[in-house]
Amino acid sequence: DAGVTQSPTHLIKTRGQQVTLRCSPKSGHDTVSWYQQALGQGPQFIFQYYEEEERQRGNFPDRFSGHQFPNYSSELNVNALLLGDSALYLCASSLGGSLSYNEQFFGPGTRLTVL
Amino acid sequence: SQKIEQNSEALNIQEGKTATLTCNYTNYSPAYLQWYRQDPGRGPVFLLLIRENEKEKRKERLKVTFDTTLKQSLFHITASQPADSATYLCALGTDSWGKLQFGAGTQVVVTP
Repeated sequence: DAGVTQSPTHLIKTRGQQVTLRCSPKSGHDTVSWYQQALGQGPQFIFQYYEEEERQRGNFPDRFSGHQFPNYSSELNVNALLLGDSALYLCASSLGGSLSYNEQFFGPGTRLTVL
Repeated sequence: SQKIEQNSEALNIQEGKTATLTCNYTNYSPAYLQWYRQDPGRGPVFLLLIRENEKEKRKERLKVTFDTTLKQSLFHITASQPADSATYLCALGTDSWGKLQFGAGTQVVVTP
């Protein structure tokens, strides 16, 4: 059973460019959350997708957008990249619905470097 | 302002001893709290969940306590092993949809 997969593993972009990161959730999971983890910090919640809709959003600007597909996979898009966007981007999947206290399964992350 | 604080200094401990990590929070009312382990360059791995109405949870050599009055969780690794060396993250869940607020983590180093 494949766990959460993310692509690409590493990415280098320049300021002002746009980037798309991809995530496939663990088999059977219908909810995908995206987190940004700066070096030496804990993951920061970006947003969560359930049933192809953005269900929750953290304190991130509109430059960060996403999408969930019918097969539950998801994309994170970041426009107009800033140096401060350099981080490890983590995708986590879980079972959705209410009372979703379930553990989240994290992927290995995508390391984004903005030059 | 809302804060989740974990010991920023690495915890160095001898093999076989008990490691105790703290997670303190302010201006949150978590419905539950989770602990994760993260190895360098990897995503976090879930360890334990404890709900607001629970005082203590155990899993093998791991134990977590949750005191909503003190706004604190303690995480214990008993009979620690070098393989337990990693960064441990606490995460608060404040709603029923699974959104997590993470602390910065505490690095644990277990020496033989």
